[in-house]
Amino acid sequence: DIQMTQSPSTLSASVGDRVTITCRASQSIRSLLAWYQQKPGKVPKLLISKASTLESGVPSRFSGSGSGTEFTLTISSLQPDDFATYYCQHHDSYPITFGQGTRLEIK
Amino acid sequence: EVQLVESGGGLVQPGGSLRLSCTASGFTFSSYWMTWVRQAPGKGLEWVANINQDGSDKYYVDSVKGRFAISRDNARNSLFLQMNSLRAEDTAVYYCARLICSGSCYSAFAYWGQGTLVTVSS
Repeated sequence: DIQMTQSPSTLSASVGDRVTITCRASQSIRSLLAWYQQKPGKVPKLLISKASTLESGVPSRFSGSGSGTEFTLTISSLQPDDFATYYCQHHDSYPITFGQGTRLEIK
Repeated sequence: EVQLVESGGGLVQPGGSLRLSCTASGFTFSSYWMTWVRQAPGKGLEWVANINQDGSDKYYVDSVKGRFAISRDNARNSLFLQMNSLRAEDTAVYYCARLICSGSCYSAFAYWGQGTLVTVSS
């Protein structure tokens, strides 16, 4: 199985900051990676698929990059609505696996 | 508007069974792969199973193989998850979701239901 490891597990930042979350795969997943945002008590929201394709309606301050085994999610200027937990997930092969999550909290 | 509505969750004893349903609307259900994803209380997301458009291809996470069965009824726009031999570690919110299909389909989950809670406890 492909293991997905996110870092950091928790990130403290301020409104306006530029933040980056890293996701590493235990083997190459080409560019088949998705990023989700989840707020407490809410349903996960797909932000990015295929490593860098921004979903419709997702603000342009979100961007994704990477291929192979290392990927990043960048938020260029944090907004109050962005404080949430973020998950990466590969969609290269079965079984599909998620990272453990990165909690983005207000500093 | 795409809508997915799960039902069927509840409290069940270890070793028991439960059947989850997901009713879809707002899109051509028979054209999409579908999935179940679960989330244990306070934990992360775990993919459970995928099914293709006509139900002929199914994939499962190892921890549920032989115990859970994903199926669908395209005439009723419905997705199901039959869960047998339930264990405490199956306790979670279970979400149904729709894969992205644009030409080909891939397992990024663009639309999610609100989830249904399954609690396995004596």
